[in-house]
Amino acid sequence: GAVVSQHPSWVICKSGTSVKIECRSLDFQATTMFWYRQFPKQSLMLMATSNEGSKATYEQGVEKDKFLINHASLTLSTLTVTSAHPEDSSFYICSAKPGNQPQHFGDGTRLSIL
Amino acid sequence: SQKIEQNSEALNIQEGKTATLTCNYTNYSPAYLQWYRQDPGRGPVFLLLIRENEKEKRKERLKVTFDTTLKQSLFHITASQPADSATYLCALVKAAGNKLTFGGGTRVLVKP
Repeated sequence: GAVVSQHPSWVICKSGTSVKIECRSLDFQATTMFWYRQFPKQSLMLMATSNEGSKATYEQGVEKDKFLINHASLTLSTLTVTSAHPEDSSFYICSAKPGNQPQHFGDGTRLSIL
Repeated sequence: SQKIEQNSEALNIQEGKTATLTCNYTNYSPAYLQWYRQDPGRGPVFLLLIRENEKEKRKERLKVTFDTTLKQSLFHITASQPADSATYLCALVKAAGNKLTFGGGTRVLVKP
């Protein structure tokens, strides 16, 4: 079946650093990928839609300069949290849609900013 | 404003019984609705999809109903097992779009 892989699964870093998270579709091509954020005991909130070869579409209230998205190939999208601060600590999850199938999700990246 | 509501209280159920979860929505006209399972520290896993013109869908021990008049979907796990313990999320998709909007999820705990 379709597999979406995220890396790293867990990252701890100091406040002010930038963190890059990768999302790969392993056995299918994805022109569109989605990035979500999930705080403890809350549901997934869509942050942005990543489009291969063009700019990402951000949801209302999500700072595009804070959360940089690059979708340079049909199997890879990256999310960079720039100048991360403790309030950016969260569980970040990506997804991709193989053809007409429902969205398949990665296993998430736990980001902890000290 | 648009809302998708799931029972935030955990559902504790005895093994072998049927678990029934509710997903209600307001100010929304979904083209279809999906149910996902999420285990702690993991991403959601797709379970079932039901379209606006469908009343019921089944997959093994799972059953989903969709009532667009009541704006409600019910998710049933029959003959529940401890391995079914997880958080279950409903998600709606509007027509002509791929964006998922999730409910808050309901945690299910099946006791042996």
